[in-house]
Amino acid sequence: DAGVIQSPRHEVTEMGQEVTLRCKPISGHNSLFWYRQTMMRGLELLIYFNNNVPIDDSGMPEDRFSAKMPNASFSTLKIQPSEPRDSAVYFCASRDDRSTEAFFGQGTRLTVV
Amino acid sequence: AQKITQTQPGMFVQEKEAVTLDCTYDTSDQSYGLFWYKQPSSGEMIFLIYQGSYDEQNATEGRYSLNFQKARKSANLVISASQLGDSAMYFCAMSPSDYKLSFGAGTTVTVRA
Repeated sequence: DAGVIQSPRHEVTEMGQEVTLRCKPISGHNSLFWYRQTMMRGLELLIYFNNNVPIDDSGMPEDRFSAKMPNASFSTLKIQPSEPRDSAVYFCASRDDRSTEAFFGQGTRLTVV
Repeated sequence: AQKITQTQPGMFVQEKEAVTLDCTYDTSDQSYGLFWYKQPSSGEMIFLIYQGSYDEQNATEGRYSLNFQKARKSANLVISASQLGDSAMYFCAMSPSDYKLSFGAGTTVTVRA
C-alpha cells in the first residue's frame, strides 16, 4: 500500500480564497483524522471520522472549516474563505481500529497570504 | 474529555546516553491506548511504540521503551543509547475507547555529539 496520500503537498493562496485539502486513507482503514500543526498551538485534532461518519468535530476552529468523507477512500478538508491565520501544516491520518497505530500522510503545508 | 500533558518543551542529551520523556494523561475510560510518535525536522510523523491500558508489561521496541504507570496515569518514553538521528520532536498520544486520537504538545530532543 502507498500509505496515506495527501494532496497538494504545498498550497499558497490569497486571503479570501477557498482551499480544499485532500486525503486518501490506507485501504481498509476505518478511522480517519485531520490535524493542524502550528508552532503556537502544536498538533490539534480538527475532526475524526469513523466508518465515514464524523464522530467528533469539536476541534474545527470555526464555520469557515468543513470536512467530508463521501466514501471510505477519500476525504476533504475545506476552508472558505481562507485567512492568513489558517497557515499551517495539515495532516491526515488513518487507522484500522482492530490495530493500534495511526498512519500519517506527509502533510499539506498551507500558506495564506 | 481526555488530556495529554508533556511538561518538557525541550531536552538535551549526550550521545549514547538515555533520555526519559514525560507524559501524563487524563481519561475516565478503562480501555485506552497510549502512543509515542517522532517528528524529525523533515516533518513526517513516525510511529514509535504503543501501550494498551490492559497490558501488564511495559512495551519495548528496540531502543524505545514505555514506562507505563497506570495508577499515576503516566506513560513516559525512554530512549536508550541516544543517537544523533534521535534529534526530533516527540509526541505522546492517547486513544480512548471511542478510538479518537489526541496528542500532547510535544518535546524537542536534541542529541549532542
